[in-house]
Amino acid sequence: EAGVAQSPRYKIIEKRQSVAFWCNPISGHATLYWYQQILGQGPKLLIQFQNNGVVDDSQLPKDRFSAERLKGVDSTLKIQPAKLEDSAVYLCASSWDSYEQYFGPGTRLTVT
Amino acid sequence: GQNIDQPTEMTATEGAIVQINCTYQTSGFNGLFWYQQHAGEAPTFLSYNVLDGLEEKGRFSSFLSRSKGYSYLLLKELQMKDSASYLCAFLSGYALNFGKGTSLLVTP
Repeated sequence: EAGVAQSPRYKIIEKRQSVAFWCNPISGHATLYWYQQILGQGPKLLIQFQNNGVVDDSQLPKDRFSAERLKGVDSTLKIQPAKLEDSAVYLCASSWDSYEQYFGPGTRLTVT
Repeated sequence: GQNIDQPTEMTATEGAIVQINCTYQTSGFNGLFWYQQHAGEAPTFLSYNVLDGLEEKGRFSSFLSRSKGYSYLLLKELQMKDSASYLCAFLSGYALNFGKGTSLLVTP
């Protein structure tokens, strides 16, 4: 079975620019998560979708971050405008039952 | 509030046994997870405990005590490829709350 796909794998932008990340979960997985992992830290949940509805976005900085999962499959996470502290790896994960989560390879974002 | 704590770094010898401890505090608890993360890679699932006791899966075992807010991951017959970060996480509601991870170095 194919794993969670993410693109791009790496992105370098200047502060105040915009960036978007894409995630395609494992087929059949209704739940999709976006995490932010800063170097030396564990992943922090940004947003969780159940099909195309938001379950939890309490830690998403909504003034600059947005995410959507329009058809209940693929998802896009956007940052606009980016700040230096947004430099991190952005991980997408999916699960069938909200328990065991399968992570994608991540997108490493560097904001200069 | 919610909190999770685990040691930052550990070192062990190839072939030995190592125990990585994790303590947590949360008002809502739906289970305790351990993930392995090699440098530059995504976390991969190792174990899940929802009831007290020991869960064994090959060389890896995980223990949970809900009354003490305590878990450990036990790795036996250590191999060089076990050098990685080990992330402890509790499930509260539908959200996984991760610790900062324990970086394990296995030496020859």
